[in-house]
Amino acid sequence: KAGVTQTPRYLIKTRGQQVTLSCSPISGHRSVSWYQQTPGQGLQFLFEYFSETQRNKGNFPGRFSGRQFSNSRSEMNVSTLELGDSALYLCASSLSNRLTGTGELFFGEGSRLTVL
Amino acid sequence: ILNVEQSPQSLHVQEGDSTNFTCSFPSSNFYALHWYRWETAKSPEALFVMTLNGDEKKKGRISATLNTKEGYSYLYIKGSQPEDSATYLCARTHAGGTSYGKLTFGQGTILTVHP
Repeated sequence: KAGVTQTPRYLIKTRGQQVTLSCSPISGHRSVSWYQQTPGQGLQFLFEYFSETQRNKGNFPGRFSGRQFSNSRSEMNVSTLELGDSALYLCASSLSNRLTGTGELFFGEGSRLTVL
Repeated sequence: ILNVEQSPQSLHVQEGDSTNFTCSFPSSNFYALHWYRWETAKSPEALFVMTLNGDEKKKGRISATLNTKEGYSYLYIKGSQPEDSATYLCARTHAGGTSYGKLTFGQGTILTVHP
């Protein structure tokens, strides 16, 4: 079956602009989570959505937001971009079901954002 | 330990060598420990998810053990091959169990296997 798809794969923005990244999870997966990776940092949790509701949020400023649609597709938005937002943004989906899922995350290939 | 810590940060081995890495994590409120392999220009791929103290899992030449009481997990690779070159990440899920998507990751161990 198709994996997690993220678009766009690469993008360049300037400071002050905003950006929207999209993620299509594996069919049947209702949980979508987002992670940021910057040079020298591990994967940092941004937020998780399940059935269109934000279930958890990481320690990021309010400029970072997201949403999930009824088909489980998710978007994340970063407003008023700063240089430090340059990073690889990874989306992951999971079954999120104690009975049927192992809890493992299935990652997309990421969206690499460069802020100039 | 407050965060997930991995050692060593990087490792260079020769083809055929066996190797192992360590993941240390807070033992309180433990729910699950994940291992992922992340090859360059690809997406991270799950190797193991372990939940029980003493758990041992194996996939081909790769195996992992878990000690939840002392807060560590080992990943072993037997007879390393160049295709094993990747970053190996461990991560823990917190107790509560309703949020599989929120993992705390370590910084990773970068493995390079030389032919």
